[in-house]
Amino acid sequence: DVQMTQSPSSLSASVGDRVSITCRASRNIYNYLNWYKQTPKEAPKLLISDASNSRSGVPSRFSGSGSGSDFTLTISSLQPEDFATYFCQQSHSLPLSFGGGTRIEMK
Amino acid sequence: QVTLRESGPALVKPTETLTLTCTVSGVSLSNVKMGVSWIRQPPGKALEWLAIISSSDEESYNPSLRSRLTISKDTSKSQVVLSMTNMDPDDTATYFCARTPYYPRSRSYFTGMDVWGHGTTVTVSS
Repeated sequence: DVQMTQSPSSLSASVGDRVSITCRASRNIYNYLNWYKQTPKEAPKLLISDASNSRSGVPSRFSGSGSGSDFTLTISSLQPEDFATYFCQQSHSLPLSFGGGTRIEMK
Repeated sequence: QVTLRESGPALVKPTETLTLTCTVSGVSLSNVKMGVSWIRQPPGKALEWLAIISSSDEESYNPSLRSRLTISKDTSKSQVVLSMTNMDPDDTATYFCARTPYYPRSRSYFTGMDVWGHGTTVTVSS
């Protein structure tokens, strides 16, 4: 089974900051890595699939990179609506699995 | 527009069996790429993938819960059903269903979960 480890588990940042979240897989998952955003009381929303493919309608400040076992989600200039929790998820093999999440809080 | 909606009891007692239904609209469950996953999230915790069913009725489960889970679907009703036996207070969570495209790719069969239901909250308590 593929274990997904996200870091940090939380971070404090200000509007306009550049923020990066990392996700590490326990083995090679090629580029089969997806990123989700979740706000309180809401379902997760798919932001990026296959490590770097932004979904339609996702602001260009969100970008994903990486391959193999190390991946990064970057928000180039944090906006008020970006304070949320972000999860990575591997879609290389069953059982599918998620990272533990990264909560972005206002500094 | 594809939508998914979860339904089921809000409260179950320990040892009971939970049955949740995901009703899908806007796409047929027999669509060749149509997979549906169940995912849960305990309060304040991370997402946990539970199970998936494909358009051809292939099933797969989280190994840690495999003995307690059954996923099935009724294509005519556009519903995917998840049953979980022997419920425990630790199973208290919000349960989501999500479309999970399931088709042969270069080194995988899956992509991201692109449409989610709003979730249904289940509390396990006597």
